[in-house]
Amino acid sequence: DAGITQSPRHKVTETGTPVTLRCHQTENHRYMYWYRQDPGHGLRLIHYSYGVKDTDKGEVSDGYSVSRSKTEDFLLTLESATSSQTSVYFCAISAQGVEEQYFGPGTRLTVT
Amino acid sequence: QKEVEQNSGPLSVPEGAIASLNCTYSDRGSQSFFWYRQYSGKSPELIMSIYSNGDKEDGRFTAQLNKASQYVSLLIRDSQPSDSATYLCAVMGGGATNKLIFGTGTLLAVQP
Repeated sequence: DAGITQSPRHKVTETGTPVTLRCHQTENHRYMYWYRQDPGHGLRLIHYSYGVKDTDKGEVSDGYSVSRSKTEDFLLTLESATSSQTSVYFCAISAQGVEEQYFGPGTRLTVT
Repeated sequence: QKEVEQNSGPLSVPEGAIASLNCTYSDRGSQSFFWYRQYSGKSPELIMSIYSNGDKEDGRFTAQLNKASQYVSLLIRDSQPSDSATYLCAVMGGGATNKLIFGTGTLLAVQP
């Protein structure tokens, strides 16, 4: 998985609780992305980062925030989880000047 | 709304046959195109990228791009049961963006 880890790999949480997912890379790539994957919708971009402390919204950013304080870590936070945020979350990375994105192993999140 | 369309399948082919997977996209300014393979319960794995009109071959895989028709395809020669997976088409728009738009994927089943 191209030097990308995600934690936790599985999580069950209750509606209304905050949740933070972590993506860690050892490739020193500039760009990092958070996607969610749902049946019938495919992969959709939530947020992405183009450098430390530089982030931007994706297609489905409502209810999510991100932070990147170090090159290697990109955090995705659900401030108050809802059942509609039950999904599989993938982190991806890409290098500057290179368009190919490589994915981490994913986190399966269930909000009850 | 920029869209990437794929037939969800399943596409069933016998072992040894050629599997043909198709994808259309709506953004005429798109410049970069990717095919990912995703096994059930796993993360997407990049298998091909193509940037200019025509064919690009890599082993048993051939990607074909026709920008005038806004069409990209993936051919898998000598299909093997291990090729059974969901194939995701992804398109990157023109301009200074690293955002990928994914199709919902085509499920390929190779019958022994």
